[in-house]
Amino acid sequence: AQKITQTQPGMFVQEKEAVTLDCTYDTSDQSYGLFWYKQPSSGEMIFLIYQGSYDEQNATEGRYSLNFQKARKSANLVISASQLGDSAMYFCAMRGTITQGGSEKLVFGKGMKLTVNP
Amino acid sequence: DAGVTQSPTHLIKTRGQQVTLRCSPKSGHDTVSWYQQALGQGPQFIFQYYEEEERQRGNFPDRFSGHQFPNYSSELNVNALLLGDSALYLCASSFDREQFFGPGTRLTVL
Repeated sequence: AQKITQTQPGMFVQEKEAVTLDCTYDTSDQSYGLFWYKQPSSGEMIFLIYQGSYDEQNATEGRYSLNFQKARKSANLVISASQLGDSAMYFCAMRGTITQGGSEKLVFGKGMKLTVNP
Repeated sequence: DAGVTQSPTHLIKTRGQQVTLRCSPKSGHDTVSWYQQALGQGPQFIFQYYEEEERQRGNFPDRFSGHQFPNYSSELNVNALLLGDSALYLCASSFDREQFFGPGTRLTVL
């Protein structure tokens, strides 16, 4: 079974500072994917970044980077230069081995709330 | 290019009633997944449809059923509603790796 653990219930950061959101995972799959989603109060889950288990380099997408430490089973999200619009819930998720034709289900953590202060 | 759309946005039902939620996937996507997100929790996988068949199912009772149409749109049906079914229901569509989520339908059961 796959499991995602996000232990930080909430974090506060000053605008323009960097922040790290923690995520640890557990799986018996050799091939898997890790995702981070942002969920503002409107409810929509917004894809931020993806890391494949065999990717040699840490993923980066603009101000988002994923600090992937496979041996420690951690996939922390780093947001550089925080903006007020970054205030939202953040969810770490994983997907197991893709079966034939299409995508596997996502398993989500409980999420954490980030508040960016001016 | 329209993203994933869901209808209705909000819905209020009473216990015992039945509800149907609808999802239109992103253009070019052939797989639709449904998730339930209770307040303060992460989304939980309900089931996934591909080629008009249920391909995967999470730990949800048979009261939860679905359908996928030839145009890849999908419906989620919940029978005999319980108070505990109150949640945000998210639809996600995908073609390969990444799942794109819709805005969700917020269901309240009274």
